[in-house]
Amino acid sequence: EIVLTQSPGTLSLSPGERATLSCRASQSVSSSYLAWYQQKPGQAPRLLIYGASSRATGIPDRFSGSGSGTDFTLTISRLEPEDFAVYYCQQYGSSPGTFGQGTRLEIK
Amino acid sequence: QITLKESGPTLVKPTQTLTLTCTFSGFSLSTSGVGVGWIRQPPGKALEWLALIYWDDDKRYSPSLKSRLTITKDTSKNQVVLTMTNMDPVDTATYYCAHTGIAAADYWGQGTLVTVSS
Repeated sequence: EIVLTQSPGTLSLSPGERATLSCRASQSVSSSYLAWYQQKPGQAPRLLIYGASSRATGIPDRFSGSGSGTDFTLTISRLEPEDFAVYYCQQYGSSPGTFGQGTRLEIK
Repeated sequence: QITLKESGPTLVKPTQTLTLTCTFSGFSLSTSGVGVGWIRQPPGKALEWLALIYWDDDKRYSPSLKSRLTITKDTSKNQVVLTMTNMDPVDTATYYCAHTGIAAADYWGQGTLVTVSS
């Protein structure tokens, strides 16, 4: 089973700043089948990025994903107030898939 | 418009079997490449994939829970059913179902909280 490790556990930033979230896999992720999700309290997760770098429908272009193999990054170029949430990475190349433990993005 | 909704008991006793139903609309589980999966999230904790069933009836399970899980589909009813045996208080969680395709889990249900307690 592929283990995903996200860092940092908590990221404290201000609106307007740039956020960089990391996701490292214990082995190579097949065909860059790596996704990122955003989850707000009391809500289901929302897909942001799939295939490591493709934005899902309706996702603003301030969200971008990059990486391959075992190292992946989610970047939010300029934080908006609604971006403060928990972010999870997930690999879905090895079914049924595994999630990272999450990064909490909080307002500084 | 794709929607999914989970249904089932909100409270189960330890050692009982949990049966959850995901009823969906806006897509067909007989379409090539489509799957429906179950994911859970204990209160305040991370997401955990449980099981996934594909359009061709291929089934995948979390290795750590495989012995306790069964996933089935009823294409005519647009439903996917998950059963989990021998429930324990540590299985208390919000259980989600989600549509999957080439774009990972792109549509999710609202989730249903299941509490395991005597």
